[in-house]
Amino acid sequence: SYELTQPPSVSVSPGQTARITCSGDALPKQYAYWYQQKPGQAPVLVIYKDSERPSGIPERFSGSSSGTTVTLTISGVQAEDEADYYCQSADSSGTVFGGGTKLTVL
Amino acid sequence: EVQLVQSGAEVKKPGESLKISCKGSGYSFTSYWIGWVRQMPGKGLEWMGIIYPGDSDTRYSPSFQGQVTISADKSISTAYLQWSSLKASDTAMYYCARQRGTVTTGWFDPWGQGTLVTVSS
Repeated sequence: SYELTQPPSVSVSPGQTARITCSGDALPKQYAYWYQQKPGQAPVLVIYKDSERPSGIPERFSGSSSGTTVTLTISGVQAEDEADYYCQSADSSGTVFGGGTKLTVL
Repeated sequence: EVQLVQSGAEVKKPGESLKISCKGSGYSFTSYWIGWVRQMPGKGLEWMGIIYPGDSDTRYSPSFQGQVTISADKSISTAYLQWSSLKASDTAMYYCARQRGTVTTGWFDPWGQGTLVTVSS
């Protein structure tokens, strides 16, 4: 079955830039989406269609795509950005989520 | 405001049946797919399936086909996820979410608050 691969964890200091990658063979043909999930809360969409930012999401969140890898970039990371981040895309069987990346703000 | 409100936490015994709900408001409920997502304790998100309340067209993840049933009652803007015989391994948080985009290239926004299902003897 189709898989999206994310690093289990990423750590950055406040004010630095965090980059979370997501790799999958179908990503050149399918859009990717990103969700932020804080402990005890439901996921929240932060990027859609590879690089579009929903209203209400801070400008420090951005997305990009290159070949089989998409990247969520958080510029000027703040303590409140500490969370789990999931990428999502699709294959012929339906929606697929990446395994998630825990972002730690040191 | 677009909102999805899910039913409350459930504690069940193995073998029991269960139906949880997800009520949409603030938008045309029949015009968007609704998806269900499982999150087992300490684990990631797993897509279970989606339903289009307008005509009840339903698609299941191969991993959940035959294990659960997704349905909807458009007259009350509510989608459902049900089990006929629960197992301990069904213990998880279950989220509903509205799907934007197309059925094959969609994203989820917003999400319900989640329903915690605990199955224990």
